[in-house]
Amino acid sequence: DAKTTQPPSMDCAEGRAANLPCNHSTISGNEYVYWYRQIHSQGPQYIIHGLKNNETNEMASLIITEDRKSSTLILPHATLRDTAVYYCIVRVGGSGNTPLVFGKGTRLSVIA
Amino acid sequence: DSGVTQTPKHLITATGQRVTLRCSPRSGDLSVYWYQQSLDQGLQFLIQYYNGEERAKGNILERFSAQQFPDLHSELNLSSLELGDSALYFCASSVGQVGDTEAFFGQGTRLTVV
Repeated sequence: DAKTTQPPSMDCAEGRAANLPCNHSTISGNEYVYWYRQIHSQGPQYIIHGLKNNETNEMASLIITEDRKSSTLILPHATLRDTAVYYCIVRVGGSGNTPLVFGKGTRLSVIA
Repeated sequence: DSGVTQTPKHLITATGQRVTLRCSPRSGDLSVYWYQQSLDQGLQFLIQYYNGEERAKGNILERFSAQQFPDLHSELNLSSLELGDSALYFCASSVGQVGDTEAFFGQGTRLTVV
């Protein structure tokens, strides 16, 4: 079963920052937080992941609270193409061998 | 383009039949994962192979089986198909060695059982 809790849906105005929250209160010390998104039945797309420090890449920023019980994915300037289901997943690190377990995710709608 | 190739893209078959879905992982990736996505179930993990060996099993039915070949491509075999097996089937691959590596997904095979 998924170990994360996300709101089922969110709206965001085009050009504004989209902040997607995720609760993972039972996360273990060796578990990473991964974010993926799925655009309309395409294959899920990797966005970003982190352990305890904040991370940023060309797609997004990941803010993890100090106690690691929650995190926020930030899309700094949302576009219509960012409309998708976003999945927050916790996964054991130290090995790339554990499967990703998907929950229901957050359906983000970016509105013009 | 994730580098993971799945064939065929679409498949229509009748109940009771058997089909084989194929996945070619990214170059150098040793782990392959199979997922099923139906409308009411979300993305369900089925099975994982690492360098030819089964590594983890999820909600895979006994009618389904998979294998990973020496060239690392993988096949998912679905038999005695039922209407409820209609779904998107995704394959993902990752390096699979020590370290926190992300998995990359193919574009899926849409299976329709009629």
